[in-house]
Amino acid sequence: ELKVEQNPLFLSMQEGKNYTIYCNYSTTSDRLYWYRQDPGKSLESLFVLLSNGAVKQEGRLMASLDTKARLSTLHITAAVHDLSATYFCAVDQDTDKLIFGTGTRLQVFP
Amino acid sequence: EAGVTQFPSHSVIEKGQTVTLRCDPISGHDNLYWYRRVMGKEIKFLLHFVKESKQDESGMPNNRFLAERTGGTYSTLKVQPAELEDSGVYFCASSQDWSYNSPLHFGNGTRLTVT
Repeated sequence: ELKVEQNPLFLSMQEGKNYTIYCNYSTTSDRLYWYRQDPGKSLESLFVLLSNGAVKQEGRLMASLDTKARLSTLHITAAVHDLSATYFCAVDQDTDKLIFGTGTRLQVFP
Repeated sequence: EAGVTQFPSHSVIEKGQTVTLRCDPISGHDNLYWYRRVMGKEIKFLLHFVKESKQDESGMPNNRFLAERTGGTYSTLKVQPAELEDSGVYFCASSQDWSYNSPLHFGNGTRLTVT
């Protein structure tokens, strides 16, 4: 059974600092996704990573994938308050369903 | 383009009552999914429709849950009778096809509280 673990579960960080969220999964997977959710809102797709060594960047967020280690990271550079949200990683095995991690609640303070 | 809409946004019911959640996918999306997040845990898959057919319902927790998608448009998820452990946020998502370049579009979710 495919399992996905995220850490940390909660992250409080100061504006301007850098940090990384980790996503480990238990078996091989074809695709890895990162989503962002603001309170009471839908999940917004941030990145889709398809192959080993894939790296994608959007603004202050950069996601990478190491399929051999079964690890993805979401790196936050020079955090700003607007990045405060819950971040989920999810994987699938070429099936019709995503397996989500528990989410990382990020809080950025001045 | 209108996004995935879910109704209601919140529902508070007593144990033993019935609740029906509705999801309107993006127009033209044949694939419709239901997911659930319980008590701050991970988001879990419930089921997947392709048009009006249930493609995969392996995540449905028990027979108190009934999902329908008559006519292949909107979908409903009925919980009858509701139990305390059913509380959580129910998300609906849709996509054109199951591929990486057709990502899931999620609704805002329905927060269900069973007291």
